[in-house]
This record gives sequence, C-alpha cells and structure tokens, in this order.
Amino acid sequence: DVKVTQSSRYLVKRTGEKVFLECVQDMDHENMFWYRQDPGLGLRLIYFSYDVKMKEKGDIPEGYSVSREKKERFSLILESASTNQTSMYLCASSGRDRAFFGQGTRLTVV
Amino acid sequence: EDQVTQSPEALRLQEGESSSLNCSYTVSGLRGLFWYRQDPGKGPEFLFTLYSAGEEKEKERLKATLTKKESFLHITAPKPEDSATYLCAVQASFNKFYFGSGTKLNVKP
Repeated sequence: DVKVTQSSRYLVKRTGEKVFLECVQDMDHENMFWYRQDPGLGLRLIYFSYDVKMKEKGDIPEGYSVSREKKERFSLILESASTNQTSMYLCASSGRDRAFFGQGTRLTVV
Repeated sequence: EDQVTQSPEALRLQEGESSSLNCSYTVSGLRGLFWYRQDPGKGPEFLFTLYSAGEEKEKERLKATLTKKESFLHITAPKPEDSATYLCAVQASFNKFYFGSGTKLNVKP
C-alpha cells in the first residue's frame, strides 16, 4: 500500500513562529501537493511540486513556502504563523493517476 | 477557471434509503475524476477514478457515473457506516487536483 506520512497529527504554535510541516511518501511519485481544509471551503491547493526542486503555486500560496530537496519529501513552511492559518493541512502524492493522502495535521495558531 | 461544485452540502438518510450525490465540474484538459471518502479527523481515502463520459464504477453499495459535465455517486441501501464526507476531485493539466467542498452524509439507523 502507498504510504504518505505527515510528521505530526496535531500542532499548536504561537503567532509569528516559523512552522515546518513535513510529508514523506514511499511510492517514488513525481507529484506532491499541500492542501488546507476548512469547513465549508473544501480542500484548497497551497503548493504542488512535480519534481525535485520544482514547485508551483496553487490557489492560496500567500504566507506559505515549500521545499522539495528529495523526491520523497515535501515540506510546507509557514514563514510567520498567523491565527488565520489555523486549519487542517493535508499532504498528497500522485503518480499518473489518483492522489494518495496523508492523515492530516491539525494546526492551531494561538 | 477550473471549478468543482458538489451538492448537496449535507444529506441525512435513513438506513436503506438510496440517494445520489452530485459533482459538477468545469475544467480544461480533464484527465480524470475521482471520488474520495473522508472520515472526521482523517485524510481522504480513495474510492473511484472515472476517465470518460459513460464510464461507471461500483464498490459495494456505491456506484459512480460520469457525464461530460458532472458525476454522480449513487448510494444504494446505505448503512450507518457509510456516514462520512464524500469528496469529488478532478485532475487537470499539470496533474493538479481540484476538489469540491464535499457532501457530508449522515445515515441514521
């Protein structure tokens, strides 16, 4: 089975902190994605990467950056966390077809 | 603009009461349409992929169908364990996935 693993299930951070969310996949997929999920808004794409060191902005990239130094790892960085970034963050990876998701990280910024 | 719209937002059914969920989409270069199930506090779990109009896929009490503009997820004689949020997604150019906001299904015994 494909495995997408996110480093934390729950995180609580303070406003202004730099936050790193890590995601690792074990299927040698080219494509990896970061989404945030909020009630009533569904999943919104923050960034995606189609190869090592390659990244593209999604629909809501403001306040976020990403890093993909190795094919299996895709990191999401909140440069200076704010309360409006409190959300569920989901990482996904895909080959040529379906996307597989991690279990999600519930981030609370206080 | 690529867009995915799901309806209804929420659906309450009695056990055994069949119904359908709708996913309509506008996307350039559709490469596939996907259905996922998501339980509270968990990541989405893959259900089906549909690639072309007229295609159908089935799994237990679920059947997904696809037309040129929309997809339906039919639930036949649902059980309480089918309660979840069902997400629809389309895969567009550059392998980007766009998701709808989901339908929250509650099946009462």
